Amino acid sequence: QKEVEQNSGPLSVPEGAIASLNCTYSDRGSQSFFWYRQYSGKSPELIMFIYSNGDKEDGRFTAQLNKASQYVSLLIRDSQPSDSATYLCAVQTQGGSEKLVFGKGTKLTVNP
Amino acid sequence: NAGVMQNPRHLVRRRGQEARLRCSPMKGHSHVYWYRQLPEEGLKFMVYLQKENIIDESGMPKERFSAEFPKEGPSILRIQQVVRGDSAAYFCASSPGTGRFGGYTFGSGTRLTVV
Repeated sequence: QKEVEQNSGPLSVPEGAIASLNCTYSDRGSQSFFWYRQYSGKSPELIMFIYSNGDKEDGRFTAQLNKASQYVSLLIRDSQPSDSATYLCAVQTQGGSEKLVFGKGTKLTVNP
Repeated sequence: NAGVMQNPRHLVRRRGQEARLRCSPMKGHSHVYWYRQLPEEGLKFMVYLQKENIIDESGMPKERFSAEFPKEGPSILRIQQVVRGDSAAYFCASSPGTGRFGGYTFGSGTRLTVV
């Protein structure tokens, strides 16, 4: 059973702080890793993807991947109240299919 | 340049009725994926289709659920004899199926309520 685990939260941070969201996965052959943001009642929105070990930065967002530890994280710098949402970690497993396995998500609240 | 289009946005069905959910992929995309999100749960893969072919239906419940993606027209997810446990948000995504996969865009979803 291929699994993706996330802390369900809620994670609460003050405005301007760094929010750190974590995710672990069980399938060592997993290829690609994605972070989606989902506002309540809305569809998931792709924020970032990462394939290689290390960091990948895009604006206020940084994705970090450590394949040896089977760990991927998302850092949000200078958190804003508009970042309050549920963040879903998703993993593309080996085999070439574009099927994604999602974690249950971490609910983030940024307090003004 | 429309994104993935799903309809209806909201669907209410009585127990025992049929639900039909439609998904039109982005222009030029030939691969369609359906996911289900139960309340307070993450997204679960249901089925992957290409035009006129079901490629992977490993996430589909064995009974009452079916999916198709005809040569012409949208992909359809069909749920027969709905039960309360089918109440969920159903999301569709599409991809071109070529190049390195960089994630897909979801449609706005269909929220099914079974009463």
